[in-house]
Amino acid sequence: DQQVKQNSPSLSVQEGRISILNCDYTNSMFDYFLWYKKYPAEGPTFLISISSIKDKNEDGRFTVFLNKSAKHLSLHIVPSQPGDSAVYFCAAQVRGEYGNKLVFGAGTILRVKS
Amino acid sequence: KAGVTQTPRYLIKTRGQQVTLSCSPISGHRSVSWYQQTPGQGLQFLFEYFSETQRNKGNFPGRFSGRQFSNSRSEMNVSTLELGDSALYLCASSWIAGGSSEQFFGPGTRLTVL
Repeated sequence: DQQVKQNSPSLSVQEGRISILNCDYTNSMFDYFLWYKKYPAEGPTFLISISSIKDKNEDGRFTVFLNKSAKHLSLHIVPSQPGDSAVYFCAAQVRGEYGNKLVFGAGTILRVKS
Repeated sequence: KAGVTQTPRYLIKTRGQQVTLSCSPISGHRSVSWYQQTPGQGLQFLFEYFSETQRNKGNFPGRFSGRQFSNSRSEMNVSTLELGDSALYLCASSWIAGGSSEQFFGPGTRLTVL
């Protein structure tokens, strides 16, 4: 039961253009969403997040959009740089009895070509 | 401030054996979560420990277990290894229990089961 889905396994973008990574979720109890970036041989690092009460959060070149009615969020990277090439994971937080838990998507491999 | 460390980084075992992985959180962090990463499945939550108590548990068989020590270091044990247990095992630490952007990941332990 994949509650968080990243339907595109990979994405290739030219340097300087926009990268758009998508994520869909099924659980309406998710109240917080995050994007993590992962380089080979390293653990994921936090990139940007958004609360379910907002529809947009921006941090430099990175913007996350949340469409609650469609249960969809996206990460925009503008402009894309070769150093952005990595695996991007979408994650959603759900509150449990003893604390919060993160549910991750399968990840999208982003390749930025120079 | 030192990051999350995991030992060993690489491990090769055979079916039926057991394995113990170790995670040292960032100093001062009391919560440690464990994840399994496999291609196409993303990060699957295993369990979370906070102040030596298991707070949350994912949908993994009882062969997967863990514990946390008084210094917040955590170990994960997998008994009777199966081929499908081959994966990257990540641990993440945070100051508070559960979820959100405060989780910091280690580089992972790559387990190969032959």
